[in-house]
Amino acid sequence: AQSVTQPDIHITVSEGASLELRCNYSYGATPYLFWYVQSPGQGLQLLLKYFSGDTLVQGIKGFEAEFKRSQSSFNLRKPSVHWSDAAEYFCAVGVGDYKLSFGAGTTVTVRA
Amino acid sequence: KAGVTQTPRYLIKTRGQQVTLSCSPISGHRSVSWYQQTPGQGLQFLFEYFSETQRNKGNFPGRFSGRQFSNSRSEMNVSTLELGDSALYLCASSLKGDSEGNSPLHFGNGTRLTVT
Repeated sequence: AQSVTQPDIHITVSEGASLELRCNYSYGATPYLFWYVQSPGQGLQLLLKYFSGDTLVQGIKGFEAEFKRSQSSFNLRKPSVHWSDAAEYFCAVGVGDYKLSFGAGTTVTVRA
Repeated sequence: KAGVTQTPRYLIKTRGQQVTLSCSPISGHRSVSWYQQTPGQGLQFLFEYFSETQRNKGNFPGRFSGRQFSNSRSEMNVSTLELGDSALYLCASSLKGDSEGNSPLHFGNGTRLTVT
């Protein structure tokens, strides 16, 4: 069965600094990969997705992610963080069986 | 276009009771999925429906059930509630529900269930 690992439970970053969130997956083939963000009291919002093609994908809110097959990774990045980016971020994997497997999430705190 | 709507937003129930949660998908979406979110277990897949048929089910006891209606609206039911069922229950809809990149999930804001 596929699994998703987000090694960082919590990250604190200064406003204006860059952000990178790590995601590793375990699956025999290339899965469909997603990053979602969840603000307190809200559902999950899709930031970006990868299913084929260019390994660098652009998403909403200035986020991008890079798929690296050799490292089984799909790390999320943002060059300059805004206070509104404080939230919980989830990496997810789909393998075509009508469900997603989620990582445990990374909470991002933005300090002024 | 309206998003995924879940009702109610909050519920408080007592152990042993049963509860029904409702989800209205985005217009045109035919797949509805349900996830349970808890601090300890994270996001866990419950089940997925497409055109009133359950296509996949997660590893939950039979007390958890769901259904989908002809208008794609979905309900999930939990019977004989236990304290451990306290969670945020998230519904998501998609065009086809095949978890591929061209049919991503759109989530509602969830129903917060507290079992006392």
